[in-house]
Amino acid sequence: GAVVSQHPSRVICKSGTSVKIECRSLDFQATTMFWYRQFPKQSLMLMATSNEGSKATYEQGVEKDKFLINHASLTLSTLTVTSAHPEDSSFYICSARDTTGFTYEQYFGPGTRLTVT
Amino acid sequence: ELKVEQNPLFLSMQEGKNYTIYCNYSTTSDRLYWYRQDPGKSLESLFVLLSNGAVKQEGRLMASLDTKARLSTLHITAAVHDLSATYFCAVDMDSNYQLIWGAGTKLIIKP
Repeated sequence: GAVVSQHPSRVICKSGTSVKIECRSLDFQATTMFWYRQFPKQSLMLMATSNEGSKATYEQGVEKDKFLINHASLTLSTLTVTSAHPEDSSFYICSARDTTGFTYEQYFGPGTRLTVT
Repeated sequence: ELKVEQNPLFLSMQEGKNYTIYCNYSTTSDRLYWYRQDPGKSLESLFVLLSNGAVKQEGRLMASLDTKARLSTLHITAAVHDLSATYFCAVDMDSNYQLIWGAGTKLIIKP
């Protein structure tokens, strides 16, 4: 089956620093990737839709200058949390759509646990 | 606006019992998904339901879809401890493929 990787799986950073999270589709091409965040005991919240070669589409209430998304290739999207604060601590999950076969399925990465101290 | 409601949100049950999780959605959608999430882990796809009357089964889990009622059910038969997890349903549409999520059902199965 299709595999999506995320790196790093866990990261601890100090307040005010920036953190980059990578999402890769390993065996398929993904023109569209989605970034989610999940707080403890809650559902997934869509942050943005990442489109290869164009600007990401952010959901209402998500600061695009704080959560920078770059989808530079068909297999890689990155999320950079800039000037991180403790309230940014969360579980970040990406998903990717295999668009070559005109399928609808999204494949989820294993997630990145961000802790800001 | 497309909304998804799951119930119950929390379910504690004994091994060997049967139970059902319900998923209602507010407007027409193209697909309904069921996912499993273990603590600290990402999502595992369980089922994708595409059409009215669709029924899929995998082991002790069976999912069904009634598009007229906008209702999907996830039925657990003779529960075992290994099925303890949080279960999410979600729907999407061909227009943008964005998944709209239910709140999740935390299932605890006691030996």
